[in-house]
Amino acid sequence: GAGVSQSPSNKVTEKGKDVELRCDPISGHTALYWYRQSLGQGLEFLIYFQGNSAPDKSGLPSDRFSAERTGGSVSTLTIQRTQQEDSAVYLCASSLRLAGVGSYNEQFFGPGTRLTVL
Amino acid sequence: GQQVMQIPQYQHVQEGEDFTTYCNSSTTLSNIQWYKQRPGGHPVFLIQLVKSGEVKKQKRLTFQFGEAKKNSSLHITATQTTDVGTYFCAFNSGGSNYKLTFGKGTLLTVNP
Repeated sequence: GAGVSQSPSNKVTEKGKDVELRCDPISGHTALYWYRQSLGQGLEFLIYFQGNSAPDKSGLPSDRFSAERTGGSVSTLTIQRTQQEDSAVYLCASSLRLAGVGSYNEQFFGPGTRLTVL
Repeated sequence: GQQVMQIPQYQHVQEGEDFTTYCNSSTTLSNIQWYKQRPGGHPVFLIQLVKSGEVKKQKRLTFQFGEAKKNSSLHITATQTTDVGTYFCAFNSGGSNYKLTFGKGTLLTVNP
């Protein structure tokens, strides 16, 4: 079946411009995550959506970053007034919501969007 | 918030040698997951451990969860060039069943 897809795969923009990154999760996955990964670094959590609950925005680095998830499916991460330090790979992941002890919430990652801010 | 320390940060081995990466926490973890990210790729789920002292094997990979559920390890026997990549541990954090916090990863390179 189809996995998580992200678009664009690469984005080059000029400092100060706004960018929108899109994520299409696996159908039926109620949880959706955004991460940022700088070159050679680990995954930095940005934001998490779970069903109709309020998103967990605790990882957003500044108010220039925002995200929304429409209809419980597609998500868009928006970065306003981009800065050079925003250059990174932005990864989206989705998972099933499973309840109970020992339940799996394996995250399925998309291929990422490589953002370069000149 | 909760964090894990993953060591070593880098490991270079000759093909055929063994490799181990460790994930250590100062607090008890409800579970731990391991992911592998190939160079230029995205993280791929390997396994989840839930029970104290749990040991799971996948071919040449052995995963352990400590008795106190504060540490975990991934051991690869007789490494191959296909094992190259960064191995991340991750755990449920913030009282959530769904939000994962990732370690910084161990980059494994294998000399053929």
